[in-house]
Amino acid sequence: DTEVTQTPKHLVMGMTNKKSLKCEQHMGHRAMYWYKQKAKKPPELMFVYSYEKLSINESVPSRFSPECPNSSLLNLHLHALQPEDSALYLCASSQDWAGGTEAFFGQGTRLTVV
Amino acid sequence: QQQVKQSPQSLIVQKGGISIINCAYENTAFDYFPWYQQFPGKGPALLIAIRPDVSEKKEGRFTISFNKSAKQFSLHIMDSQPGDSATYFCAASIGTGGFKTIFGAGTRLFVKA
Repeated sequence: DTEVTQTPKHLVMGMTNKKSLKCEQHMGHRAMYWYKQKAKKPPELMFVYSYEKLSINESVPSRFSPECPNSSLLNLHLHALQPEDSALYLCASSQDWAGGTEAFFGQGTRLTVV
Repeated sequence: QQQVKQSPQSLIVQKGGISIINCAYENTAFDYFPWYQQFPGKGPALLIAIRPDVSEKKEGRFTISFNKSAKQFSLHIMDSQPGDSATYFCAASIGTGGFKTIFGAGTRLFVKA
């Protein structure tokens, strides 16, 4: 199983809503990532978790709150988002966080903030 | 120094032709260079990858050429097919200091039937 599963596939939320994005992998990977991708742009790294601990936070606004409940799951909690936060949110995982290893991406959650 | 520069921005190739996408980097600490293929509405999928101690890697119709001294690498797609029409991202990652993949800006490839 080389799959990273993200739910939901699409999400529309108001600026006062609280919602969560979910990501799951069963490849035994110990590094998991959140990326944000705007249209016609490359993915931008948001967070890196290694062994369920937050290792990298790329200066992401606090309205985005990641959580890693266990080695297979990664959540991204959203609160008080802005319309400019509308984007494709991608989860990825890799064997470890030391680099030089393949990252598997999920299909993404298309988020629209209204 | 952390940038990966990718060209061209878009590319149109006839079916059966060769598609060539180029990338350049500055940070010699990069030690892993993957190429990702992304179809509209989908996440990026790893296509092929190379390490700097290898000058060329071929997998089917896809070949990476790597020039360590020039700090450049390129993707060649032989016998391009309409199904190859997608956005291609080159990337580079650093082995130390934590995993961090730097993506190029992307190339939108269209293969004409």
